[in-house]
Amino acid sequence: NAGVTQTPKFRVLKTGQSMTLLCAQDMNHEYMYWYRQDPGMGLRLIHYSVGEGTTAKGEVPDGYNVSRLKKQNFLLGLESAAPSQTSVYFCASSYGGWDSYEQYFGPGTRLTVT
Amino acid sequence: GDSVTQMEGPVTLSEEAFLTINCTYTATGYPSLFWYVQYPGEGLQLLLKATKADDKGSNKGFEATYRKETTSFHLEKGSVQVSDSAVYFCALRGNQFYFGTGTSLTVIP
Repeated sequence: NAGVTQTPKFRVLKTGQSMTLLCAQDMNHEYMYWYRQDPGMGLRLIHYSVGEGTTAKGEVPDGYNVSRLKKQNFLLGLESAAPSQTSVYFCASSYGGWDSYEQYFGPGTRLTVT
Repeated sequence: GDSVTQMEGPVTLSEEAFLTINCTYTATGYPSLFWYVQYPGEGLQLLLKATKADDKGSNKGFEATYRKETTSFHLEKGSVQVSDSAVYFCALRGNQFYFGTGTSLTVIP
């Protein structure tokens, strides 16, 4: 099992460009999450999904969109990148909700917006 | 709101030294508490957890005790190894997960 994988691992964008980060899991998990990690701060939840075709906002959703068209994939989109979105992005998945089940994390994507 | 405050790093120790990484929390209700570890180039992995006051989580020689009176969940290991070099995250589960900032540990031979 590959677990949770993220593509790409690194990316540099110019302000205003768009991109999509891909998260894939092969554990048949229902729940998937996107977090961002910034220096001096903990991981913060951007968006999450409780199943195929569903999405919900987390703590810091502004400037991001997500889609969960297939159970195994969770996409994070930046329509018009800003320097404030420079961060490390982590995807995670879990069998059930965070009140009961462990989250499994991907290795992260380091994004720089210039 | 809920939050986790974690000891600043980086921490550098010699092999076989004693490790403590401090973690305190603020929460309403009775949260579950976790320690995650991130090895270089990998995602976060659950290291240990405790779901109620006075519970002790343990794994791979690491321990942490849920102290409600001091709102703490400090991570300890009696004798660290080079392979323990990683970033450690304290986390709290309330209505969602709240993570600390991470503490980088380097163990030198």
